[in-house]
Amino acid sequence: NAGVTQTPKFQVLKTGQSMTLQCAQDMNHNSMYWYRQDPGMGLRLIYYSASEGTTDKGEVPNGYNVSRLNKREFSLRLESAAPSQTSVYFCASSDLKQHFGPGTRLTVT
Amino acid sequence: QQQVKQSPQSLIVQKGGISIINCAYENTAFDYFPWYQQFPGKGPALLIAIRPDVSEKKEGRFTISFNKSAKQFSLHIMDSQPGDSATYFCAASKGGSARQLTFGSGTQLTVLP
Repeated sequence: NAGVTQTPKFQVLKTGQSMTLQCAQDMNHNSMYWYRQDPGMGLRLIYYSASEGTTDKGEVPNGYNVSRLNKREFSLRLESAAPSQTSVYFCASSDLKQHFGPGTRLTVT
Repeated sequence: QQQVKQSPQSLIVQKGGISIINCAYENTAFDYFPWYQQFPGKGPALLIAIRPDVSEKKEGRFTISFNKSAKQFSLHIMDSQPGDSATYFCAASKGGSARQLTFGSGTQLTVLP
C-alpha cells in the first residue's frame, strides 16, 4: 500500500516548456487534489476532482490543466511554464481525511 | 482574501515547553478544522482535527482548542520535543469533511534540546 505517489520528484524547466506531473493513489479514494506550496503562503488548491470524470478549479488554476484519467490517477499539466510556477506541488486524495504525496519540486528558469 | 490566518510565522520553544499556534477564520460555513504537520522534504500529514460541536480535542500531547464565537482555534503541543520540530498548518473546510481545504500560511516550530 504505497498511498499517494508523485512523479517526478524534481524537475527543472525553461520558460515556455510544457510538462505533466503525475499522481496516483491506491486507497480507492473518490476525491483527488493538486496544491502548490510557496514560502509563507501555505498550500493553495489548484484543481480538484470530486470523482472520476469530474474536475473543478480551485483557488489558483491559471496556467494549469488537469486530467482525471481514472479513479487512481490525476495529472497536472503546465502547457507553457513560467517562472511564477516555480513551486513545490503536492497531490492529495481523501476519504475522511486528506492524504498527501511526497511532492514535486519544480523550478522554471 | 486569506480566509484562514495563522500565527506566529515561526516559534522557538525549549524542550519540555508548551508550543501554541493560533488560527482565525472568516467563513462561518467552515465546520472541519484539521492541523497538519510537515517535515522538510515530505508532504503534510494529518495530526489532529476538530469539528465545531466540541471546544477541545486531545490526542496524546496534541490538543486543539476551538472557540466558535471568536472564530479561532489553536494547537497546543505539551512537553514539546526536538522531534516535533516541523512546519504546522491549520486548515478549514465546509461540509464537515476533508474536501477543499483552505490552509493557513504555516508555522515553523523549532524545539531546542
